Amino acid sequence: DQQVKQNSPSLSVQEGRISILNCDYTNSMFDYFLWYKKYPAEGPTFLISISSIKDKNEDGRFTVFLNKSAKHLSLHIVPSQPGDSAVYFCAATGGGADGLTFGKGTHLIIQP
Amino acid sequence: DTGVSQNPRHKITKRGQNVTFRCDPISEHNRLYWYRQTLGQGPEFLTYFQNEAQLEKSRLLSDRFSAERPKGSFSTLEIQRTEQGDSAMYLCASSLLAGGINEQFFGPGTRLTVL
Repeated sequence: DQQVKQNSPSLSVQEGRISILNCDYTNSMFDYFLWYKKYPAEGPTFLISISSIKDKNEDGRFTVFLNKSAKHLSLHIVPSQPGDSAVYFCAATGGGADGLTFGKGTHLIIQP
Repeated sequence: DTGVSQNPRHKITKRGQNVTFRCDPISEHNRLYWYRQTLGQGPEFLTYFQNEAQLEKSRLLSDRFSAERPKGSFSTLEIQRTEQGDSAMYLCASSLLAGGINEQFFGPGTRLTVL
């Protein structure tokens, strides 16, 4: 049973436009959410996180939005750049568990 | 380089052999995590340490798997009697738990192939 779901295996966006990656979760005990970016043959790189007490967190070109009632979060990247092409993972933790629960990832492709 | 390091980067072994991986976390981090990632999946949590104490184990961590962090610094993950299903990328991460923030930083991983 997948507790963190990323329903879009891939997403193609034109350079300079906004990329929106979505993530849904089912475990209401999750209280901390993170986004990671992964290039082939490398480990995941931490991008941005958000606590359940907030509904938005921004860091440069990256903004994460959290909608607790819908159990949904999204990562916005604006403007999208070629170097943003990678697999993006949504992860969550909470309820006394400190290991992260990951989604399956979304492969973002930035078109020139 | 002050990031998380893992050795070896690649390991090929025959079914039934034992393998051991090493992880060196970011030096000031008190927490160390092991994850496993297979093709098309996100990383799956295996276990974690706070200092030298192993505080949580996933049900994915069978009896053939053992992890240690003897002095609260580096950690080893051993797989005994490897099976083909153990083929995966094994990732280590570390964090400094402070104020409820637990951002985990990952190493490059060890890719295990069991023939």
